[in-house]
Amino acid sequence: SSELTQDPAVSVALGQTVRITCQGDSFRNYYASWYQQKPGQAPVLVLYGRTTRPSGIPDRFSGSSSGNTASLIITGAQAEDEADYYCNSRDTSGDPLRYVFGPGTKVTVL
Amino acid sequence: QVQLVESGGGVVQPGRSLRLSCAASGFTFSNYAMHWVRQAPGKGLEWITLISYDGNKKYYADSVKGRLTVSRDNSMNTLFLQMNGLRPEDTAVYYCARDRTGPADAFDLWGQGTMVTVSS
Repeated sequence: SSELTQDPAVSVALGQTVRITCQGDSFRNYYASWYQQKPGQAPVLVLYGRTTRPSGIPDRFSGSSSGNTASLIITGAQAEDEADYYCNSRDTSGDPLRYVFGPGTKVTVL
Repeated sequence: QVQLVESGGGVVQPGRSLRLSCAASGFTFSNYAMHWVRQAPGKGLEWITLISYDGNKKYYADSVKGRLTVSRDNSMNTLFLQMNGLRPEDTAVYYCARDRTGPADAFDLWGQGTMVTVSS
């Protein structure tokens, strides 16, 4: 089975830009999806496909992908963006179908 | 209102069984594949199972295969997770999540979760 790796924590000054990366062989074949989770709450989908935001997600959230690395970018970070962020993808083995989450990145807005 | 509501969690002794439910409302449940995802206290998210829209295909993480069984009743708009032979390491919040339709995978709707504690 495949694994996804994320930096455990990153910090960003209010209004600045932060890139959250996720590495894994699965991204050579499958898209990443990204989830925001605040303490005591369920995860929320913030990005999927190459760069698609669900309805209601601010446009300061964007994404990119290159080789085995997918990125979630927050441009102009706000205090309410402080949360844990998880990437997800299909397992590279493909059969049987399975999914894997990254370990998560804690984003602190200073 | 489009939502998922889990229930059935609680405290259970090791080796015992528990059945979780996830009630869907506000959308056509029978059109969507569904997942269960869990989160141990203070830990990250772990995908555990997927069931197809019609219930004919089921997929499991290695960590739960043979002990946890996913099912659904489309007439009741409800997803289930039968948990047998529970272990302390199964202690977690269990979330049901909807699989978005389309070529790009994503879990686009989540319930609030139900807590399962396995302890003697």
